[in-house]
Amino acid sequence: QKEVEQNSGPLSVPEGAIASLNCTYSDRVSQSFFWYRQYSGKSPELIMSIYSNGDKEDGRFTAQLNKASQYVSLLIRDSQPSDSATYLCAVGAGTALIFGKGTTLSVSS
Amino acid sequence: SAVISQKPSRDICQRGTSLTIQCQVDSQVTMMFWYRQQPGQSLTLIATANQGSEATYESGFVIDKFPISRPNLTFSTLTVSNMSPEDSSIYLCSVELRANEKLFFGSGTQLSVL
Repeated sequence: QKEVEQNSGPLSVPEGAIASLNCTYSDRVSQSFFWYRQYSGKSPELIMSIYSNGDKEDGRFTAQLNKASQYVSLLIRDSQPSDSATYLCAVGAGTALIFGKGTTLSVSS
Repeated sequence: SAVISQKPSRDICQRGTSLTIQCQVDSQVTMMFWYRQQPGQSLTLIATANQGSEATYESGFVIDKFPISRPNLTFSTLTVSNMSPEDSSIYLCSVELRANEKLFFGSGTQLSVL
C-alpha cells in the first residue's frame, strides 16, 4: 500500500521564524511531489510542486526533495500568522495523488 | 488552470437517503477524481471518474455505495447512497490537467448525516 507520512503536529513557531515541515513516502517510483495548504473549512490549495532532487524556491517557500531517502520537505521562511494552516504533502503515484494526514502549523505573533 | 464548480456546497441529510454531488469544470479534462476528507483527517481517494466507462474505485470503496457518472470531459457526479452518520465528511472533486501534475480542487461539499 502506498503511504505518505507526516507528523500531525501541531508545529508552533513564532512570527518571523522558519517553519520546517517533513514528509516521507513509501513508493520508490513516485515522480511528482506537492505541498498543499488547507485553511479550516476550505479546499486545499497548491503551494509548491517539485519533481527533481534538490531544492526549489518560490518566495518564502522552499521545497526539498531527496528521492534516495524518499523524503520531501517544505521550509517557510519569515513565517506569518497567515501561514497558520494545515499543510498536506501529496505524492504522485501513477494516477491520482496520495495525501499525507497533514501537519498543522501555528504561527504566533 | 481550471475552475471547478461543485454543488451543493453543503447539505444535511437523513440516514438511509442518498445525495448526488455535481462537479462542473470550465474546460475539458482527462482525469477527474473524487476525494473524501473525514473530520480531522486528510484526503482519501474514492475513485477516478472515467469518461464513458465505469469509475475505478480505490480499496474500501464500492460502486453500490458511491456510484459515479462521467458523461463527458467536463462533468461528473458522485452519489453517496444509503447514507449513515459515518458518511459525514467533505467530498471534493478534483481534476488533473496533465499527467503527474498538480490537482485542482473544487470548493467541496460538506455533508452531515443525521
